[in-house]
Amino acid sequence: GQNIDQPTEMTATEGAIVQINCTYQTSGFNGLFWYQQHAGEAPTFLSYNVLDGLEEKGRFSSFLSRSKGYSYLLLKELQMKDSASYLCAVPDSNYQLIWGAGTKLIIKP
Amino acid sequence: GAVVSQHPSRVICKSGTSVKIECRSLDFQATTMFWYRQFPKQSLMLMATSNEGSKATYEQGVEKDKFLINHASLTLSTLTVTSAHPEDSSFYICSARVSDYEQYFGPGTRLTVT
Repeated sequence: GQNIDQPTEMTATEGAIVQINCTYQTSGFNGLFWYQQHAGEAPTFLSYNVLDGLEEKGRFSSFLSRSKGYSYLLLKELQMKDSASYLCAVPDSNYQLIWGAGTKLIIKP
Repeated sequence: GAVVSQHPSRVICKSGTSVKIECRSLDFQATTMFWYRQFPKQSLMLMATSNEGSKATYEQGVEKDKFLINHASLTLSTLTVTSAHPEDSSFYICSARVSDYEQYFGPGTRLTVT
């Protein structure tokens, strides 16, 4: 079966750095996605990793280790607008996304 | 980037009535669209995969006779919630597949059944 784990909630301070972890167990691997979802809105795409290593995109970076079944999303210079849920997702063999439960990130001033 | 629209954004209906939600890809053609449901404080749950010109594929536990999906064109898929009940109140989100690794989400439809 497939399983994705991520923390339920995290709190961080404005201007700081936060790392959101995701571990997965899948039969086969077709990459890993990170999405951001603000309350009441649809998810928006943040990153897609298929090879090991860190990919940086502005204030957001995503890391993947396929051998460890592990990924993290790194958010730097946190802003209040970054308060949202962050969803980790992996495609199954039909490329349909299997979603983690999401990590609710709370930013405090 | 690709744009996906949903209509309506919010709908309130009475128990026992049916509601249709439209999902459109505005600037690209999508042979495959996905319908998700999200209850408060829960993750997205895939309901069904909608393929243009063929029957939708439903996930286990989703009643195909209750959630009717029609993907009549390459830019439009509709989800009809038939005989809606309060427990069907949820956030319904569609997405359109652009490639094996890309899909774009609509803004979602908030359904409230009273």
